[in-house]
Amino acid sequence: EDQVTQSPEALRLQEGESSSLNCSYTVSGLRGLFWYRQDPGKGPEFLFTLYSAGEEKEKERLKATLTKKESFLHITAPKPEDSATYLCAVQASIDYGGSQGNLIFGKGTKLSVKP
Amino acid sequence: DGGITQSPKYLFRKEGQNVTLSCEQNLNHDAMYWYRQDPGQGLRLIYYSQIVNDFQKGDIAEGYSVSREKKESFPLTVTSAQKNPTAFYLCASTNRLAGGDTQYFGPGTRLTVL
Repeated sequence: EDQVTQSPEALRLQEGESSSLNCSYTVSGLRGLFWYRQDPGKGPEFLFTLYSAGEEKEKERLKATLTKKESFLHITAPKPEDSATYLCAVQASIDYGGSQGNLIFGKGTKLSVKP
Repeated sequence: DGGITQSPKYLFRKEGQNVTLSCEQNLNHDAMYWYRQDPGQGLRLIYYSQIVNDFQKGDIAEGYSVSREKKESFPLTVTSAQKNPTAFYLCASTNRLAGGDTQYFGPGTRLTVL
């Protein structure tokens, strides 16, 4: 069964304290892995798509990396405005039985950054 | 500005009522999706539609219905058969015909059963 597990469930950081969020996945054939940011009461905001092991993408203080079993979202010198829930999702390849390429989401990591 | 709109932002339903949530997009995307989000759980797929006049059930379709009469619109009806409808509902779309995989989300509708 395709599955996504995010850890930790919650993370509290001081402003400037770098850390990483983990997304481990099991999927028959990975078509893509997606990271989203979600603020309370709002819809998820797209951050990154990763397609193959070894791929990395960056945006401001965020950097996403991908291996064959997991992805990391590295946050460098975070600021209070980075506080949000970060969601990870995988898309299975249709060739490996993925259902129309639909996304499978993890439960998210709630990040709090204190000034 | 291109994007996805959902209305209303907040919706209250009495027991036994059907309610319809609106989702409109002007991104010219072909595929549209409805998800349900509950505290402490990942997003769960309710229904999706790849093209106009066609849609498929997701993982938790029981108690819900949809229609796709126009490319830009994908309304979701929460029927009285849905026993626990209180949740945050999210609509998303993607440009699958152009090879896009990324789903873009609307702002959500919070449904509360009174």
